[in-house]
Amino acid sequence: GEDVEQSLFLSVREGDSSVINCTYTDSSSTYLYWYKQEPGAGLQLLTYIFSNMDMKQDQRLTVLLNKKDKHLSLRIADTQTGDSAIYFCAERAPWGKLIFGQGTELSVKP
Amino acid sequence: GAVVSQHPSRVICKSGTSVKIECRSLDFQATTMFWYRQFPKQSLMLMATSNEGSKATYEQGVEKDKFLINHASLTLSTLTVTSAHPEDSSFYICSARDRTDNTDTQYFGPGTRLTVL
Repeated sequence: GEDVEQSLFLSVREGDSSVINCTYTDSSSTYLYWYKQEPGAGLQLLTYIFSNMDMKQDQRLTVLLNKKDKHLSLRIADTQTGDSAIYFCAERAPWGKLIFGQGTELSVKP
Repeated sequence: GAVVSQHPSRVICKSGTSVKIECRSLDFQATTMFWYRQFPKQSLMLMATSNEGSKATYEQGVEKDKFLINHASLTLSTLTVTSAHPEDSSFYICSARDRTDNTDTQYFGPGTRLTVL
């Protein structure tokens, strides 16, 4: 079945780059997504990548996809304290459902 | 664009009462909406998929008579928690998929915090 895994915590200093990693199991996934959740709030879509792409960059965010290893990463350049949140990766499963990872809690220290 | 609202944002009710939560897509039409439940420090658990004009599809282990879903229009889905009990206390989040978007991206509402006393 489908499964998505992420490390639970990441701590970085303000100004550094953050890299959040994710592995998935369904090789037929067409789209993979990154969402951000701040405390007490819903999920905010950050970006998505189509499975035939290796990389996608959007301002401070860079997504890398290694389809062979089923590995997805999100790099946040120049991380700010406002980036502190939980980041979820998700893969598109059959019938358009999303399978979420456990979420990575990013802590940015000044 | 792609804004989803939920109402109410927070509700406290007594055990045995029913609570209705609304999910609206404000600037797009959504033939499909999803309802999730999230426990503290955990990921989202899909409860059901709501399709406009037809019955919802529930995930295994989710009681359809307990969690009533209605998707009567292309911009509104409702979740009613019937005869709520303290174990139903949770954060409920909906999402909606834009019918014109072929990326299957789900846009999420801000969530509803339900506390059952």
